[in-house]
Amino acid sequence: AQRVTQPEKLLSVFKGAPVELKCNYSYSGSPELFWYVQYSRQRLQLLLRHISRESIKGFTADLNKGETSFHLKKPFAQEEDSAMYYCALSGGGSARQLTFGSGTQLTVLP
Amino acid sequence: ETGVTQSPTHLIKTRGQQVTLRCSSQSGHNTVSWYQQALGQGPQFIFQYYREEENGRGNFPPRFSGLQFPNYSSELNVNALELDDSALYLCASSFSIAPKYNEQFFGPGTRLTVL
Repeated sequence: AQRVTQPEKLLSVFKGAPVELKCNYSYSGSPELFWYVQYSRQRLQLLLRHISRESIKGFTADLNKGETSFHLKKPFAQEEDSAMYYCALSGGGSARQLTFGSGTQLTVLP
Repeated sequence: ETGVTQSPTHLIKTRGQQVTLRCSSQSGHNTVSWYQQALGQGPQFIFQYYREEENGRGNFPPRFSGLQFPNYSSELNVNALELDDSALYLCASSFSIAPKYNEQFFGPGTRLTVL
């Protein structure tokens, strides 16, 4: 079975402060990990995926297989980063369906 | 390029009724996945359709069924509605099923309320 855990439902930081959104997963094989973001009144969209090793909007995430974690980080938060963030895993099965965590609502305060 | 669209936006039904939700895939996509998102939760996979065939199913009962049409649009049907079926239903389209990094593009969702 595959599972994604996001321990924080709500996270508030001040503008310019570092931010880290935690994600832990449970999966027996080699997972593909993603972060999806949903801004207010917008649809769910892909932010980044671990295999790309890219930085999107200043965010990065490193897959740590030893700790089974995929935390999302940004060194200097901006107000426009306020959104709901979902960590997701794509594992086995022909559908390669996404298993989502319950999400973290990030609020960046001015 | 047209994004994923869903209809209707909102829907209110009563317990025991049947409902059909519709999704139009993004242009060029041949795979559609449906998710249920209960309040305060992340999306939960219902099933996926690839080239008009079901290609994987989550932990949902048979009263949740679907269709995919030759133009790759899709329907989600739910029979014998229960109060717990109240949720946001999301459709996501992607190209093919087996690329390692199959980005799914989500629609805006249909909010279903069961009274």
